[in-house]
Amino acid sequence: GAGVSQSPRYKVAKRGQDVALRCDPISGHVSLFWYQQALGQGPEFLTYFQNEAQLDKSGLPSDRFFAERPEGSVSTLKIQRTQQEDSAVYLCASSLAPDRVEKLFFGSGTQLSVL
Amino acid sequence: DQQVKQNSPSLSVQEGRISILNCDYTNSMFDYFLWYKKYPAEGPTFLISISSIKDKNEDGRFTVFLNKSAKHLSLHIVPSQPGDSAVYFCAASVLYGNKLVFGAGTILRVKS
Repeated sequence: GAGVSQSPRYKVAKRGQDVALRCDPISGHVSLFWYQQALGQGPEFLTYFQNEAQLDKSGLPSDRFFAERPEGSVSTLKIQRTQQEDSAVYLCASSLAPDRVEKLFFGSGTQLSVL
Repeated sequence: DQQVKQNSPSLSVQEGRISILNCDYTNSMFDYFLWYKKYPAEGPTFLISISSIKDKNEDGRFTVFLNKSAKHLSLHIVPSQPGDSAVYFCAASVLYGNKLVFGAGTILRVKS
């Protein structure tokens, strides 16, 4: 497809379970971002990749969160030992520009519910 | 510490009238601003942007105004249409940075 694709669309996890969220960015897009959107809030930055290099992970809330983009295209966000406060929509976005912020193209997100 | 604030959680406007959505920011380092629109169960989609060297940018029915001294920007939609009903997010960044800081969003309802 032409847009950013995320899977799964919905994920229900028991507290303590590990989860993996996948993002397929737009082909050729150099930059890839992960954002977390809590209910009633705007998206909050988690991490940024330029090709396969993770250049900024300052937004990751704890060391339970880990992201990778090994071949510079598909990215996975992994959350270990999930907690209830991890419940949110996780948005992936990509952009063509490598070195500056411009309009991001967002996927539809993965809604994570931790019970 | 919210660096980007959208103080109106919701706005209701009659079809054909003007919609004005407001956004305030606190970080004087921000020099690039964007508006995103979000429908339910979809990701945000880019609407319009403005850099700090301008005070106005227009694209069809959408105009963004930037008042740097007041650290305030607004989005005007004229005329408003029912299809404009969505959540609108204001976002800000340093142009040569790598992250957008979003406001909490404003729900716009355009009544026909």
